[in-house]
Amino acid sequence: QVQLQESGPGLVKPSGTLSLFCSVSGDSISTNNWWNWVRQSPERGLEWIGEVYHTGTTIYNPSLESRVSMSVDDSKNQFSLTLSDVSAADAAVYFCARRHRFNWNEYFDSWGPGTRVSVSS
Amino acid sequence: EIVLTQSPGTLSLSPGDRATLSCRASQSVSGYYFAWLQQKPGQAPRPLIYGASSRAPGIPDRFSGSGSGTEFTLTISRLEPEDFAVYYCQQYGSSTPVTFGQGTRLEIK
Repeated sequence: QVQLQESGPGLVKPSGTLSLFCSVSGDSISTNNWWNWVRQSPERGLEWIGEVYHTGTTIYNPSLESRVSMSVDDSKNQFSLTLSDVSAADAAVYFCARRHRFNWNEYFDSWGPGTRVSVSS
Repeated sequence: EIVLTQSPGTLSLSPGDRATLSCRASQSVSGYYFAWLQQKPGQAPRPLIYGASSRAPGIPDRFSGSGSGTEFTLTISRLEPEDFAVYYCQQYGSSTPVTFGQGTRLEIK
């Protein structure tokens, strides 16, 4: 059974950089799946940030593309999110999720429990 | 991007009732890339339906999904106490950003 777990600072300063990691267990990050970041806030609801493939290929939400970077660390079986120049609008619960591809189907089948990130000086 | 609009915003029903939740897309969505999720307070979203009508593993058969194009429906045939939660629709087409509906809150009447 696949399990995902987010980790990272819960507090980031305005104009600073948010860095989060998602550790994957029960599956190799090098399989034919996409690894996603989604955030949730009362103001914006569920918002997709982007996804990364184990080759390093990334697809980002155009609304965040200028500030987002994602990468994969095969040796640690984890992937990461970096969001620069944060503001109060970036305060949210951040989830990592697997976009599982199988038998010509795919969906977001596994989610981490989420980590809350606040933005304050 | 594709905007998903869910209705109603809140649905008040009793255990044993039938629930019908709707999701309308601003443009046509491939059914292969359409899902329904359930979320309870303090938890991550949980997938219920993928491919518009396929139940995810472990999901009871009282949950069913239908629809195509711009209109999709989630039906819960007989509500159990544990079904009262917030439900989201999601589309994840390959050539468009992934988007979610704003959610339908299913509450006990």
